[in-house]
Amino acid sequence: SQQGEEDPQALSIQEGENATMNCSYKTSINNLQWYRQNSGRGLVHLILIRSNEREKHSGRLRVTLDTSKKSSSLLITASRAADTASYFCAFGMEYGNKLVFGAGTILRVKS
Amino acid sequence: EPEVTQTPSHQVTQMGQEVILRCVPISNHLYFYWYRQILGQKVEFLVSFYNNEISEKSEIFDDQFSVERPDGSNFTLKIRSTKLEDSAMYFCASSDARVAFFGQGTRLTVV
Repeated sequence: SQQGEEDPQALSIQEGENATMNCSYKTSINNLQWYRQNSGRGLVHLILIRSNEREKHSGRLRVTLDTSKKSSSLLITASRAADTASYFCAFGMEYGNKLVFGAGTILRVKS
Repeated sequence: EPEVTQTPSHQVTQMGQEVILRCVPISNHLYFYWYRQILGQKVEFLVSFYNNEISEKSEIFDDQFSVERPDGSNFTLKIRSTKLEDSAMYFCASSDARVAFFGQGTRLTVV
């Protein structure tokens, strides 16, 4: 199966704390992307990391990729209540091809 | 900022009826996709479309489903003879071969 897995399934933290979400996959990939989904809404692209990259930053987001362990993590620093959402990793075997999504992590940031 | 737009946002249909979900991808993108998300579950790939033809389809995308690009801007998903289990959020996405941008989705409810 090409499916990705994420953990934790749910995470509840206080505003200001850091949130870390992990994603694992089974096949060789070309890129891995992280998306956010607010309840009942569309998927918002957060960040893309290529298979030859190990770490990438975007604002308060930090993504790492370990291709030897077939895993990635998303770190959100100094979380805010507005970060409350579901976060999904999605990986692509080739650019332009389909994305395979993980099960997602539900993040709740309490103010 | 360019975005993928989907209509309608919500569609209720009777079992056995046909529905057409519509999408306007980002104008200079060449790759188009349909995904679905059953409530509380993973985002699942349905079909990808490139160069006016299907490039890949999943097991879910059986003869009940079809896609079209009837003109230079729209991209449609047709579901013939809907079943109760087709109830889900359907997402259209378009890509520049790197990042896939998603629409807000159409919530399909089959009754």
